[in-house]
Amino acid sequence: DQQVKQNSPSLSVQEGRISILNCDYTNSMFDYFLWYKKYPAEGPTFLISISSIKDKNEDGRFTVFLNKSAKHLSLHIVPSQPGDSAVYFCAASAWGETSGSRLTFGEGTQLTVNP
Amino acid sequence: DSGVTQTPKHLITATGQRVTLRCSPRSGDLSVYWYQQSLDQGLQFLIQYYNGEERAKGNILERFSAQQFPDLHSELNLSSLELGDSALYFCASSVRPGGETQYFGPGTRLLVL
Repeated sequence: DQQVKQNSPSLSVQEGRISILNCDYTNSMFDYFLWYKKYPAEGPTFLISISSIKDKNEDGRFTVFLNKSAKHLSLHIVPSQPGDSAVYFCAASAWGETSGSRLTFGEGTQLTVNP
Repeated sequence: DSGVTQTPKHLITATGQRVTLRCSPRSGDLSVYWYQQSLDQGLQFLIQYYNGEERAKGNILERFSAQQFPDLHSELNLSSLELGDSALYFCASSVRPGGETQYFGPGTRLLVL
């Protein structure tokens, strides 16, 4: 049961343009969503997060949008830079006092930004 | 640098053996999480500890166990290793037991031959 899905395994954009990465989820109990960037053989690096009570969060070049009715979130990177090239993971959590807080990850999207 | 440290960085061992992976959380973080990344399963949650107590369990095999010590570092013990246990093992930490960002360490790459 894949509760978090990233349907695009790869995305290629030109430097300076916008990168849009998408993520869909099925579990309506998820209340916190995150995006991580990952290079091979390294740990995921936190980029940006959003709580389910918001529909947008912005941090510099990164903006995350959440559409709860569609169970969809997206990450916008503007402008894209070659250094942004990496695998991007969408993750979600549903915190319970007795069940803890685990992150459920999507499969990842390989972003390539061409100079 | 997330502030989460993991040792060793690489580990090569044989089937049937037992290994211990170590994680030190960020200063001030009380919660530690373990994740496994394998080629066919992606990033999967294994187990969570908060202030020394187990808080949540994922699809962790019975051959695997973990604990969090009073100084808040954590160890993941993998025993009776099989070829399929070869993977990257990540530790993450957060201040509270849930509802917030988890920061990941660099991982331990385990190769079982």
